Amino acid sequence: EVQLVESGGVVVQPGGSLRLSCAASGFTFDDYTMHWVRQAPGKGLEWVSLISWDGGTTYYADSVKGRFTISRDNSKNSLYLQMNSLRTEDTALYYCAKAGYSSSWLFDYWGQGTLVTVSS
Amino acid sequence: DIQMTQSPSSLSASVGDRVTITCRPSQSISSNLNWYQQKPGKAPKLLIYAASSLQSGGPSRFSGSGSGTDFTLTISSLQPEDFATYYCQQSYSTPLTFGGGTKVEIK
Repeated sequence: EVQLVESGGVVVQPGGSLRLSCAASGFTFDDYTMHWVRQAPGKGLEWVSLISWDGGTTYYADSVKGRFTISRDNSKNSLYLQMNSLRTEDTALYYCAKAGYSSSWLFDYWGQGTLVTVSS
Repeated sequence: DIQMTQSPSSLSASVGDRVTITCRPSQSISSNLNWYQQKPGKAPKLLIYAASSLQSGGPSRFSGSGSGTDFTLTISSLQPEDFATYYCQQSYSTPLTFGGGTKVEIK
């Protein structure tokens, strides 16, 4: 059974930093692209970033480019999101999502999310 | 960036009704369109991928159609467990983008 468990979400002040983690199990982690997707309270879904199976390719939404860094450690079956220069508009539930078998750009399994609140 | 326009943003329907949700990207995306269901307090769940392929384990009352700039998600006979918010998402190019969502409520 595929499991994705996010952690690291807390309350942080504007301008602060945070690192989210996602522990994966139930599938061959280093076979798949992985994603972060976020959802602001009461709002829709926003894709944040993706990383290829080997970490060699990354993409970011314009809203986080230059502030967030996605990475992975295949030896630990783990995905990370380093978040710097946080803004109030980064407040959201952050989901880790596994790419699909048929396409690396869809999300076939999601974690339950970790809440990041940016507030003074 | 490809903008995804979903309609309606909400609808009220009764159990047994046929429900149709539309998604229109701002440019052609071939068949690179996926649909997700999200229930309150839960993570989204993939329903349909590549415009018309039912995700494994998905109920057969859900179907998807379309290509290019016009896509549809249909629920053939609405069940109590289908009351949720539905999102389309394009997997044609980055940045990957979602529609604004359609909330399906009980009439």
